[in-house]
Amino acid sequence: TQLLEQSPQFLSIQEGENLTVYCNSSSVFSSLQWYRQEPGEGPVLLVTVVTGGEVKKLKRLTFQFGDARKDSSLHITAAQPGDTGLYLCAGVRNRDDKIIFGKGTRLHILP
Amino acid sequence: EAGVAQSPRYKIIEKRQSVAFWCNPISGHATLYWYQQILGQGPKLLIQFQNNGVVDDSQLPKDRFSAERLKGVDSTLKIQPAKLEDSAVYLCASRPRGWRGRSSYNEQFFGPGTRLTVL
Repeated sequence: TQLLEQSPQFLSIQEGENLTVYCNSSSVFSSLQWYRQEPGEGPVLLVTVVTGGEVKKLKRLTFQFGDARKDSSLHITAAQPGDTGLYLCAGVRNRDDKIIFGKGTRLHILP
Repeated sequence: EAGVAQSPRYKIIEKRQSVAFWCNPISGHATLYWYQQILGQGPKLLIQFQNNGVVDDSQLPKDRFSAERLKGVDSTLKIQPAKLEDSAVYLCASRPRGWRGRSSYNEQFFGPGTRLTVL
């Protein structure tokens, strides 16, 4: 059972375009993390969101945690080739503190 | 601060052979995780240690996989015997807080992984 659904699974867009990646679940999370993973490397943490409705910005990346703490989104403005990679969301489940990963969104930005 | 170290980076073996991976977490990190990441998927937790005790090994295929963390520092993950479907990247991660820490941040720091190919 996949507890964290990420969509889309794959996305290939032109440089300069905007995009949004979604992470959805029926479980409540005490916090949710977004990671980026490049080939041959382990995931690197981008951001952690903790409060329902929280919005965090990291340069051209905007992360939002749903009000009910069950879902999250990552929005990239004016995507650049350097944004290419696998984006993973991971939720810390409220009831048992377990960290659950989504399957990831593979993003490819074309120059 | 040095990151999480893993070795080897790559390993190719034939099915039914044995293999072992090593992880050295960030100094002082109490919690250590081993994940399996199959191509195209997110990491799947195999086992979680708190110091040298196992917290969660519910998804570890115990008939062939084993892991230990002696002295609560380094850890090894072993597969014996390997199957074709074990081909994956094995990631080690560590975290500074306790399993039921007061904070909800739970940031994990990942190593570069070991890419295992079983032929």
